[in-house]
Amino acid sequence: DIQMTQFPSSLSASVGDRVTITCRASQGISDSLAWFQQKPGKAPKSLIYAASSLQSGVPSKFSGSGSGTDFTLTISSLQPEDFATYYCQQYNNYPPTFGGGTKVEIK
Amino acid sequence: QVQLVESGGGVVRPGKSLRLSCVASGFTFSSYGMHWVRQAPGKGLDWVAVISYDGSTKYYKDSVRGRFTISRDNSKNTLYLQLHSLRPEDTAVYYCAKDSPWHQIKWEFDYWGQGSLVTVSS
Repeated sequence: DIQMTQFPSSLSASVGDRVTITCRASQGISDSLAWFQQKPGKAPKSLIYAASSLQSGVPSKFSGSGSGTDFTLTISSLQPEDFATYYCQQYNNYPPTFGGGTKVEIK
Repeated sequence: QVQLVESGGGVVRPGKSLRLSCVASGFTFSSYGMHWVRQAPGKGLDWVAVISYDGSTKYYKDSVRGRFTISRDNSKNTLYLQLHSLRPEDTAVYYCAKDSPWHQIKWEFDYWGQGSLVTVSS
C-alpha cells in the first residue's frame, strides 16, 4: 500500500495567516491526490481533487499543488471557519490511502 | 443537492453482526460507484469497501474481506454494508461516500454522509 505522510501533524495559526500543509507519498502517484477538511463530529468535506482542482463551491482561498510524491495544500488567509483537521488521500493505486491528518488550531 | 444519510449503527458484542444503510438523494444513484470509509475514535480515515454503479464489482480492505459485504439496491437508492464477526478494532464511525466519475470506480470521494457509529464491545 502507498503510505501518505502529512506534516506537520498539527499547527497553531492566527486569523489572516497563510498556512501550508504538506503531504508526501511513498511512491509516485501522478496528480491523483485529494484534500479533505473535517470539523469535529462532522463528515469530511472534499476541497481539492487531481492535486490542484477546486471542488465546486469551495472558496478560492484554498489551493493545491504538486505532482509525483510531494503535494501541498495552502490556505491563503485563515478564517475562523477554517480551523479543522485536513487530510490528503491518494487514489492512483489500490487501495486508496489517507494521510494521518493535520490539525489546524487557533493561536 | 447531494445527500447521503447513514443509519443502522449501534453497540454490538464481539462476533455479532450489524447492517448499515446509506440512503442517497440529489443525484442519479444508479450511475455512481459508492464507498464505505471508517474512522476509529480519535483516528484518521480508513477506506473499507467499494461497489460499482451496477453492483457487479466489489473491492474490500484486506482486514474486512470475508467478514463485511457491500451491496446496493438501485431501486431504493440505498447502499448497504453488512458487518459479520465484528471485532473491537472495527469500532468506528462508518461513512458512505460517493465516487466522483460517472460509471467508474476512481476512489475519488466527492460527497460524504454524516456517518454512523458502530461500537464493538463486550
